Amino acid sequence: DAGVIQSPRHEVTEMGQEVTLRCKPISGHNSLFWYRQTMMRGLELLIYFNNNVPIDDSGMPEDRFSAKMPNASFSTLKIQPSEPRDSAVYFCASSLQAGSETQYFGPGTRLLVL
Amino acid sequence: GEDVEQSLFLSVREGDSSVINCTYTDSSSTYLYWYKQEPGAGLQLLTYIFSNMDMKQDQRLTVLLNKKDKHLSLRIADTQTGDSAIYFCAETRNQGGKLIFGQGTELSVKP
Repeated sequence: DAGVIQSPRHEVTEMGQEVTLRCKPISGHNSLFWYRQTMMRGLELLIYFNNNVPIDDSGMPEDRFSAKMPNASFSTLKIQPSEPRDSAVYFCASSLQAGSETQYFGPGTRLLVL
Repeated sequence: GEDVEQSLFLSVREGDSSVINCTYTDSSSTYLYWYKQEPGAGLQLLTYIFSNMDMKQDQRLTVLLNKKDKHLSLRIADTQTGDSAIYFCAETRNQGGKLIFGQGTELSVKP
């Protein structure tokens, strides 16, 4: 079975540009999570969805960040405009349902904003 | 509040046992997890334990939970160089799907 799929795997962009990260959860999973990992702050939950509905977006750092889940098999995390401090690895994870179910992580997107 | 803490580094020799420790503050935690992250890769679930259990063993991995002290540990027997990675402790509760992660412990295994 395919795991969580993320694209692109690497992204280098210039400050001010729009960045869109994509995630395809494991088929049949109802919950999807976006995390950011940096050396300084470790692993942070940005937002999660349950049945395509955003449940908790308290971790989204600023209005420049937005996330959507138009259907059960696709989600995007958009940064507009991007800033150098957004440079990080962004992980998507999915689980059968929110709560106690195990989360399975994608390989991550390494973002570098120059 | 929610807080999960781990020591940042651990170094062991190949063949020895490794013990990675984690403390958490939320007494309502119901599930506690250990994830492994190899360089340049995502997080891989190693094992998890329900809060009503004291111990769980899975091949070379042993998880011990002291709920009174809110202390979780992961023991890796016969540690191999391939075990070198960052190990994350995480906890969650029934309501919501939010996983709270520790900072990660970097395990270095020397031959």
